[in-house]
Amino acid sequence: ETGVTQTPRHLVMGMTNKKSLKCEQHLGHNAMYWYKQSAKKPLELMFVYSLEERVENNSVPSRFSPECPNSSHLFLHLHTLQPEDSALYLCASSQDHGMGQGLQPQHFGDGTRLSIL
Amino acid sequence: SQKIEQNSEALNIQEGKTATLTCNYTNYSPAYLQWYRQDPGRGPVFLLLIRENEKEKRKERLKVTFDTTLKQSLFHITASQPADSATYLCALVNNAGNMLTFGGGTRLMVKP
Repeated sequence: ETGVTQTPRHLVMGMTNKKSLKCEQHLGHNAMYWYKQSAKKPLELMFVYSLEERVENNSVPSRFSPECPNSSHLFLHLHTLQPEDSALYLCASSQDHGMGQGLQPQHFGDGTRLSIL
Repeated sequence: SQKIEQNSEALNIQEGKTATLTCNYTNYSPAYLQWYRQDPGRGPVFLLLIRENEKEKRKERLKVTFDTTLKQSLFHITASQPADSATYLCALVNNAGNMLTFGGGTRLMVKP
């Protein structure tokens, strides 16, 4: 397999459920990201794991919890979500040389389409 | 506040013409700017990166310009084809240098 793989591709869950999204990258990158893409809104960065540090967007609610066990795998744990959390969740990876995010292209998976009932 | 603006209305052009998409930004001082393509149901795909000291960058039929005085980047596709139909996103690093921020994208429709 090559690139960035996300599973599942589609997920429907109730507000009281707990689920996890998975991302795996086969590019040898050292940085991974979670983005949220809602209809008619720009991509919103949620979390970054880069060079063993975690950076998060302070506006992300605590019902989203990331986990990065190694440089190839990234999870997004979900619990007690709200209907407005329905969106496409995208994972990306890049090679961070310690000079910030803007210099390297990000490679995206095809996302998990999440629907909250 | 920091803003990235792309035309939210779809751009419709005829096959063979040049498509020009605009990315304007305010309250950013980006050292780099990136352009991505996104097809329906897929993740964005990186196209080009341009640095602040580069006025223009080309890749095959694609050309990007970066004017830090106007705070604007233009993305051109020459000899456009129906297969170029997609949403195109620009992205900048925030002033803290730790987050890549995307514009809302412009949908391009190339008609045969």
